[in-house]
Amino acid sequence: DAGITQSPRHKVTETGTPVTLRCHQTENHRYMYWYRQDPGHGLRLIHYSYGVKDTDKGEVSDGYSVSRSKTEDFLLTLESATSSQTSVYFCAISEGGAGVYEQYFGPGTRLTVT
Amino acid sequence: GENVEQHPSTLSVQEGDSAVIKCTYSDSASNYFPWYKQELGKGPQLIIDIRSNVGEKKDQRIAVTLNKTAKHFSLHITETQPEDSAVYFCAAKGRQTGANNLFFGTGTRLTVIP
Repeated sequence: DAGITQSPRHKVTETGTPVTLRCHQTENHRYMYWYRQDPGHGLRLIHYSYGVKDTDKGEVSDGYSVSRSKTEDFLLTLESATSSQTSVYFCAISEGGAGVYEQYFGPGTRLTVT
Repeated sequence: GENVEQHPSTLSVQEGDSAVIKCTYSDSASNYFPWYKQELGKGPQLIIDIRSNVGEKKDQRIAVTLNKTAKHFSLHITETQPEDSAVYFCAAKGRQTGANNLFFGTGTRLTVIP
């Protein structure tokens, strides 16, 4: 998984509780991404980062926030989890050089909101 | 943003036969088209990609073709083997600059029957 770890790998939480998922990379890649994967929807981008403290929204960002204080770590926070946020969450990284577009994915975190 | 459609959603082939998965995209400015293979419980793995200045690319038993005029691209797997069984996703890099964001199709579940 290209030097990417995600933690936790599985989590069950209750509606209304805050949840933070962590993505850690050892590749020193500039770009990091959070996706969610749901049946019938493929992978959808939640938020991405193009550098330390530089983040922006993806297509399904409502209810999520992110932070990147170090190159290697990208955190995804659900401020108040809802059942609609039950999903598998994937982190991805990309080198970010000119003309370098490849994205590499981590192993995923399965989140269940009850 | 970009809209990527993928067909079929499921595909069963006999071992040794070929498999073809097709995707269409909406943004004529898209210039990068990767394919990912996802095995059960794992993150998507980049298996091949193509850029808009190339019409075809091959890597052993897999190949990808791109028709920019029609805005569609396809994955071809020849001499299929049981280990090719997985979910395959196509994606397109959208117009948005700065972060190489990808838009994904909804996936094709390929089953290779021994």
